[in-house]
Amino acid sequence: AQSVTQLDSQVPVFEEAPVELRCNYSSSVSVYLFWYVQYPNQGLQLLLKYLSGSTLVESINGFEAEFNKSQTSFHLRKPSVHISDTAEYFCAVLGPTGGGADGLTFGKGTHLIIQP
Amino acid sequence: DAGVTQSPTHLIKTRGQQVTLRCSPKSGHDTVSWYQQALGQGPQFIFQYYEEEERQRGNFPDRFSGHQFPNYSSELNVNALLLGDSALYLCASSWDSMNTEAFFGQGTRLTVV
Repeated sequence: AQSVTQLDSQVPVFEEAPVELRCNYSSSVSVYLFWYVQYPNQGLQLLLKYLSGSTLVESINGFEAEFNKSQTSFHLRKPSVHISDTAEYFCAVLGPTGGGADGLTFGKGTHLIIQP
Repeated sequence: DAGVTQSPTHLIKTRGQQVTLRCSPKSGHDTVSWYQQALGQGPQFIFQYYEEEERQRGNFPDRFSGHQFPNYSSELNVNALLLGDSALYLCASSWDSMNTEAFFGQGTRLTVV
C-alpha cells in the first residue's frame, strides 16, 4: 500500500518570495504523482501531475514539481508566490502504474499562507 | 460544461439515520470515485464505479455503498450514520479507470448530530 507524507502542515511565506512544499511517498511499485489545490469551500483542482517522461513537470500558473525516484519525493515549488496562491495543497499518489482501477492516496495537506 | 456536480451541498443528519449523496460526472467521463475528507485531513478513497460496477474499494465498512447509473451518474449511500461520518464527501470523475486526470466536484458537507 502507498502512503504520502507532507511534512509541513502550514507554510507561511511573504508575497513574491519563493516557496517549496514537500512531499514524500512510500511505495514499492512505480506510481503516478499529483499535486491538487483546494481553495476554501471548494473541491480539489489538479495542479500538475507526473506520469512518465521528464521528471520536471510544470503547471500553467507557475508551479513546478520534480519527481525524484531515489528520494521518493515530489516537491512542489514556485519562484514567486502571489496572494491568490493562498490555499491548501495536497500531494497524491496513484498506482501501481499499468494496473487496474485504483483510487488516489492523499497526504494530509499543506496550508500555504501568503503574507503581504 | 458544468463539470462535476454534487448534491446536496450541505446536509445535517441524526446519528443512526441513512443518507444518499449524488454526483453527476463531467461530460465525457464514465468513471466515478468517492472520497471522504474529514476536517483538516486529506481525502480518503471510498470506492470507484466503472460500467455500473464497484471496481475498487478503500478501507471503509459495508455501511458505505454506492451505485452507478447507465448515464454514469452515481450515488453514495451511508447507513447507520455515526458522528465520525461527519465530513466533506467528494466525488471525482475521469475518462479512464486509472484516474490519471480526475476532476472533483465541490463536495457535500455532511454533519451528523
